[in-house]
Amino acid sequence: AQKVTQAQTEISVVEKEDVTLDCVYETRDTTYYLFWYKQPPSGELVFLIRRNSFDEQNEISGRYSWNFQKSTSSFNFTITASQVVDSAVYFCALTLITTSGTYKYIFGTGTRLKVLA
Amino acid sequence: DGGITQSPKYLFRKEGQNVTLSCEQNLNHDAMYWYRQDPGQGLRLIYYSQIVNDFQKGDIAEGYSVSREKKESFPLTVTSAQKNPTAFYLCASSIGSGSFNEQFFGPGTRLTVL
Repeated sequence: AQKVTQAQTEISVVEKEDVTLDCVYETRDTTYYLFWYKQPPSGELVFLIRRNSFDEQNEISGRYSWNFQKSTSSFNFTITASQVVDSAVYFCALTLITTSGTYKYIFGTGTRLKVLA
Repeated sequence: DGGITQSPKYLFRKEGQNVTLSCEQNLNHDAMYWYRQDPGQGLRLIYYSQIVNDFQKGDIAEGYSVSREKKESFPLTVTSAQKNPTAFYLCASSIGSGSFNEQFFGPGTRLTVL
């Protein structure tokens, strides 16, 4: 069975601190995709990044960076110089197609990030 | 503006009543999804639809039903058979089916069953 674990339920940091959100996934499939979404207080999730299982290249987008390591089944998300607007719940997700042709969309339980001014 | 509309934002129903949650998208996306979000449990997939007149069960489909008669609409009915229906329901869409497409989410409907 597939699983996504976000062990950090809630993190609080002071503005301008760096923070890393952890994501560990489980799957025996060789082809899959990993996502990060942000859920602000308004409720709708916003897509941040996608990675496929064959692309372990790390990515940086402004203050955001992602570290994908297949050896440890992790896809961690770092926010550099955090800002109050970064306060939200962040979800890591794993998606794949099963051998029977159906799709699986598995989300972690989310990490609530609070950035204090 | 293109996006996903879910209405109403808050919904209250008495136990034993069926209730239908609305989801409309004007993004011209083929695929649509329904998730349930409970505190501490993240999002769990209820149903998804890759194309009009077709849909598949997700991980927690029991007590729910859907229809996809139009590309832009994917209503979810919470039936009286759903044992614990109080939750936050999120609708999403993606440009196509497939596990690689990012999903676009609506603002959600918070359902409270009294």
